[in-house]
Amino acid sequence: AQKITQTQPGMFVQEKEAVTLDCTYDTSDQSYGLFWYKQPSSGEMIFLIYQGSYDEQNATEGRYSLNFQKARKSANLVISASQLGDSAMYFCAFLGYGNNRLAFGKGNQVVVIP
Amino acid sequence: DARVTQTPRHKVTEMGQEVTMRCQPILGHNTVFWYRQTMMQGLELLAYFRNRAPLDDSGMPKDRFSAEMPDATLATLKIQPSEPRDSAVYFCASGSHLDGPTAFFGQGTRLTVV
Repeated sequence: AQKITQTQPGMFVQEKEAVTLDCTYDTSDQSYGLFWYKQPSSGEMIFLIYQGSYDEQNATEGRYSLNFQKARKSANLVISASQLGDSAMYFCAFLGYGNNRLAFGKGNQVVVIP
Repeated sequence: DARVTQTPRHKVTEMGQEVTMRCQPILGHNTVFWYRQTMMQGLELLAYFRNRAPLDDSGMPKDRFSAEMPDATLATLKIQPSEPRDSAVYFCASGSHLDGPTAFFGQGTRLTVV
């Protein structure tokens, strides 16, 4: 089974600053996708960004960008210009196209302070 | 506004009772996931379906849990009999290869077994 690792402790970020959330994965699959989801205190799971293993460009969605380093098997999320509403848990997820299992890491807690 | 709908949002039940959680995937989506979220285990994949057929339910305790898709607009997760350790938030997510690989989550059912 794929292993997704998010090891950073809870993070405090100053408003307007950028924050990088680490995610590494372990797989033998050649074709896969990587995702980031946000879970605010309300509990909903919000899709943020997706990166395919064969995508040559790093994915970007507004203030979110994914720093994909395939050889290192890492898919870090960068949030630029943090806002108070970014305070949440952030989950990295892996989808192997062989078995179609969408598996999640343990999450990173981010608190944005004014 | 397409969204995954889960009912009920909250459920409190006594140990030993049957619990049924329902999910209406986004219209046209042919993949449905069931997840359980707890503080200790994080997000665990219980089961997933494609075109209403179960592809993998290895994450689900078979003796008490069952998941079905009676039709394309309804997925159910049943626990019988329920136990206090089943207390968690249960999420349903749906996706379609036509919309890219992203899975979109419902708001979850918060289950408390007393």
